[in-house]
Amino acid sequence: EAGVVQSPRYKIIEKKQPVAFWCNPISGHNTLYWYLQNLGQGPELLIRYENEEAVDDSQLPKDRFSAERLKGVDSTLKIQPAELGDSAVYLCASSLQGLGPNEQFFGPGTRLTVL
Amino acid sequence: DAKTTQPNSMESNEEEPVHLPCNHSTISGTDYIHWYRQLPSQGPEYVIHGLTSNVNNRMASLAIAEDRKSSTLILHRATLRDAAVYYCILITSGTYKYIFGTGTRLKVLA
Repeated sequence: EAGVVQSPRYKIIEKKQPVAFWCNPISGHNTLYWYLQNLGQGPELLIRYENEEAVDDSQLPKDRFSAERLKGVDSTLKIQPAELGDSAVYLCASSLQGLGPNEQFFGPGTRLTVL
Repeated sequence: DAKTTQPNSMESNEEEPVHLPCNHSTISGTDYIHWYRQLPSQGPEYVIHGLTSNVNNRMASLAIAEDRKSSTLILHRATLRDAAVYYCILITSGTYKYIFGTGTRLKVLA
């Protein structure tokens, strides 16, 4: 079974440029998450989708970050414009939501460097 | 959201058991205790979870204190491939929100 796929794995851009990350969750998983992980820290949730609905985007900096999951399958996270402080690893995860908190499956992440 | 406290780092010799502690004194009755680990350059991966009773799976065991204010992840025989950052996370029922701390970096010595 294929895991969570993310692309690109690495991205280097200059500040003020836009950038987009793509995630394809495990087939059949209805819940998708985007996390940000700074060096030496644990992941922090940015947004959670159930199917195509964003049910928790309280931690998403909406002035420059946006996300979409149009058909309830794959998802894109965008930053426009990028700032130096956005350099981090962006992780995507998916799960099959049931009656209790279920295991989240994480992708390898996209490492963003903003120069 | 309930928080967890873990040591920043631990060391273990290969082939020996490892006990990774986690304190969660503000845990509520319906919070699940989950453990994930993150190998270098990878996303976190699930290890084990529990609510009240001790749990075993092929990767590890989870021992939960009777008052649920602490738990211990037990790796029965550490290998070099177990070197990772281990996160103890409380999942509040109904929110499914993961709040990762800084975790415990486990170093396994050959």
